[in-house]
Amino acid sequence: ETGVTQTPRHLVMGMTNKKSLKCEQHLGHNAMYWYKQSAKKPLELMFVYNFKEQTENNSVPSRFSPECPNSSHLFLHLHTLQPEDSALYLCASSQTVGDGSNQPQHFGDGTRLSIL
Amino acid sequence: AQKITQTQPGMFVQEKEAVTLDCTYDTSDQSYGLFWYKQPSSGEMIFLIYQGSYDEQNATEGRYSLNFQKARKSANLVISASQLGDSAMYFCAMREGHGSARQLTFGSGTQLTVLP
Repeated sequence: ETGVTQTPRHLVMGMTNKKSLKCEQHLGHNAMYWYKQSAKKPLELMFVYNFKEQTENNSVPSRFSPECPNSSHLFLHLHTLQPEDSALYLCASSQTVGDGSNQPQHFGDGTRLSIL
Repeated sequence: AQKITQTQPGMFVQEKEAVTLDCTYDTSDQSYGLFWYKQPSSGEMIFLIYQGSYDEQNATEGRYSLNFQKARKSANLVISASQLGDSAMYFCAMREGHGSARQLTFGSGTQLTVLP
């Protein structure tokens, strides 16, 4: 059983739809992350949360809205997306953000998003 | 400038042979960490191995070892006795010692195919 669970695994939506991606970690970690992985491009960090507080927003368009109600759950709310937003969205968690450079991030299986 | 460079978009290896996946990095920090992840076609990013910048010995984890050459700023992954299940994308990543986010920066990946 994976320590980081993402739902749904696949999502197809129109540009005017509103949907949310969900991530849950069962590892007791305090930091959570959203990444975007487009075809033939390196992973792009989108958001970082540490102890429920957003510590990083990598110039992500406002049509992506993250929410972190507690250290175990992370959401990505989607609204009025564009075709170029089609990608694999990966959630990750780690023990903390500030210290411990040797702590790996543990990833979920991702949500494969397609925008029609 | 790219912080993580993986120059091999694709690699082939015969089953049971060893293979080396290249990774070079660029940082001015003295303290940093290097990670390798495996991503099968299912999408999940699986942490494989970690090397700290102050570690004097090369990291090893089972069939995975990291050939760390600090002066050359390279951190190549060596997979010994390749198995068919090793076929996947492999990403090198770095966490630098500065900044509040201590985010991971990923390379563009190498697609490894193990041939029977």
